[in-house]
Amino acid sequence: GAVVSQHPSRVICKSGTSVKIECRSLDFQATTMFWYRQFPKQSLMLMATSNEGSKATYEQGVEKDKFLINHASLTLSTLTVTSAHPEDSSFYICSARRGENEQYFGPGTRLTVT
Amino acid sequence: GQNIDQPTEMTATEGAIVQINCTYQTSGFNGLFWYQQHAGEAPTFLSYNVLDGLEEKGRFSSFLSRSKGYSYLLLKELQMKDSASYLCAVLDSNYQLIWGAGTKLIIKP
Repeated sequence: GAVVSQHPSRVICKSGTSVKIECRSLDFQATTMFWYRQFPKQSLMLMATSNEGSKATYEQGVEKDKFLINHASLTLSTLTVTSAHPEDSSFYICSARRGENEQYFGPGTRLTVT
Repeated sequence: GQNIDQPTEMTATEGAIVQINCTYQTSGFNGLFWYQQHAGEAPTFLSYNVLDGLEEKGRFSSFLSRSKGYSYLLLKELQMKDSASYLCAVLDSNYQLIWGAGTKLIIKP
């Protein structure tokens, strides 16, 4: 099966600092990766679509200058939360697309901003 | 607009059968997914339907009717570990996943 990893799994940072989360497709190449956030007891909310070698497409209401996405290779996308604040605390999940119909999720990253 | 509806919460008994329904209205259709998500974890893939009919995979089955915009996930021989949220998601014409809010399934002994 397809495996997607995320690192770190948990991170605690102070308000005002930046945090980088990595998403890797381990056994397949993914031209498209997706970043989601999920608040407790809520469904996944798509933040942005990351395409290898081009700029990410952000969903309405998501600040592109705050959530920096880089998809530099076919197996790696990164999400950097800049100047994090407590309201950015959430569960961030990436997924990677294989082919047209298959989408596999990473295990998620729990971000806590103090 | 695009919309996916599924019940918020369901309760069932260990060993029994439960059916979780999902109705959708989306711009285009390229398949429907069911995912299982345990609390604090990322979703895991359960099934994918793109043609009408029933797909069986062990204790889990998924059904699709494209003309009715309807799907269900059927779980048989329920086990306590099946307590989780079940997410219905549709791949739209742009191959983007549109997510339902999820159904929290509670299994009682």
